[in-house]
Amino acid sequence: QVTLKESGPVLVKPTETLTLTCTVSGFSFSNARMGVSWIRQPPGKALEWLAHIFSSDKKSYSTSLKSRLTISKDTSKSQVVLTMTNMDPVDTATYYCSRIRVGSSSFIDYWGQGTLVTVSS
Amino acid sequence: SYVLTQPPSVSVAPGKTARITCGGNNIGSKSVHWYQQKPGQAPVLVIYYDSDRPSGIPERFAGSNSGNTATLTISRVEAGDEADYYCQVWDSSSDHLWVFGGGTKLTVL
Repeated sequence: QVTLKESGPVLVKPTETLTLTCTVSGFSFSNARMGVSWIRQPPGKALEWLAHIFSSDKKSYSTSLKSRLTISKDTSKSQVVLTMTNMDPVDTATYYCSRIRVGSSSFIDYWGQGTLVTVSS
Repeated sequence: SYVLTQPPSVSVAPGKTARITCGGNNIGSKSVHWYQQKPGQAPVLVIYYDSDRPSGIPERFAGSNSGNTATLTISRVEAGDEADYYCQVWDSSSDHLWVFGGGTKLTVL
């Protein structure tokens, strides 16, 4: 059974750095046909892709947020970590980690439950 | 960057057919994936690679993609289909970048 679970702070202050951890089970990071992605969704708004990381350790980032994001994985712990610097109230959102299926294209076949992060002083 | 355009809302009566479009420049040359999101829940994949259905998704859900428009078609709409629907593509012209459409709220009248 594939599961993904996000963990991290529920509240961060403006200018702080957010660190979110995704702990996965039921699949291997070494599987070349899979990866992990982070998606966020501000309250009442659309999904926004942030970043993803593949088994090869290749990483991709949203163009608009690239300067603020870092994604990494710890295979031994089955975890993927996303950091976002210089948080702002507009970054308030539910953050999802998800499993990517990779082929000629790529899509998400499993989602975590999401974690709501509020940015406020 | 690549842009996907969805209508903000679509309304349909129960038992009828709903069509949700996703527009993009030459989107027919890309693979389109669709997600359903009900209030307070994480999204769920309903269509991948334009028209494939994951196991557990009813046959009432179908997808097509040609030219500048991809379409998610839901036949015999039920009250339980009321949700937000998002299309997604991988923009291969960029570095493995993903794009989501703005989402469509499906209302069952």
